[in-house]
Amino acid sequence: EIVLTQSPGTLSLSPGERATLSCRASQSVSSSFLAWYQQKPGQAPRLLIYGASSRATGIPDRFSGSGSGTEFTLTISRLEPEDFAVYYCQQYGSSPMYSFGQGTKLEIK
Amino acid sequence: EVQLVESGGGLVQPGGSLRLSCAVSGFAVSSNYVSWVRQAPGKGLEWVSVIYSAGSTYYADSVKGRFTISRDKPKNTVSLQMNSLRAEDTAVYYCARVSWEAGYGMDVWGLGTTVIVSS
Repeated sequence: EIVLTQSPGTLSLSPGERATLSCRASQSVSSSFLAWYQQKPGQAPRLLIYGASSRATGIPDRFSGSGSGTEFTLTISRLEPEDFAVYYCQQYGSSPMYSFGQGTKLEIK
Repeated sequence: EVQLVESGGGLVQPGGSLRLSCAVSGFAVSSNYVSWVRQAPGKGLEWVSVIYSAGSTYYADSVKGRFTISRDKPKNTVSLQMNSLRAEDTAVYYCARVSWEAGYGMDVWGLGTTVIVSS
């Protein structure tokens, strides 16, 4: 079973700063099947990144993803006020068929 | 416009059953993958089940044997039959389209329907 562990649990930053969020897999994950989501309170998640590094439709280029194997990173180059939310990584294809990390809360400092 | 709308949530006693429905517009459930994901109050996302275009179904271990995913092609809906419900099944349940064009990411989500399991 693949377990995704995200760090840190909470990240406190100011608008304009750079955010780096980590997702570590207990076993190697195909880069093709690693995604990142953003969720704001009371809203459904939104797909940000798929294939570890491809931005989904309409996602600003300040969001970028990287990594391979067991280590993946979501970077937000310059934080905007609307970026403060919870972020989840997700893998597809290995038992269980899908799994999510526990989330990183990005809060305003 | 691609849209998914969940319905069927509510309050149910432990051991009871509930059937959730996901009404889809803008794409055919017969040729796409659709997944259910849930979120317990104050918790993270948990994948529940998926149905593939070929009809294959998969479940999280936590619901295997209790939940059944199915689809109705003429109505273009996906359902989740939930039996033997437990308090820990209390959550917002989302349905989402799984897009192979997006690396099997879930690119469109519904707003969710709330299930509360309590006596």
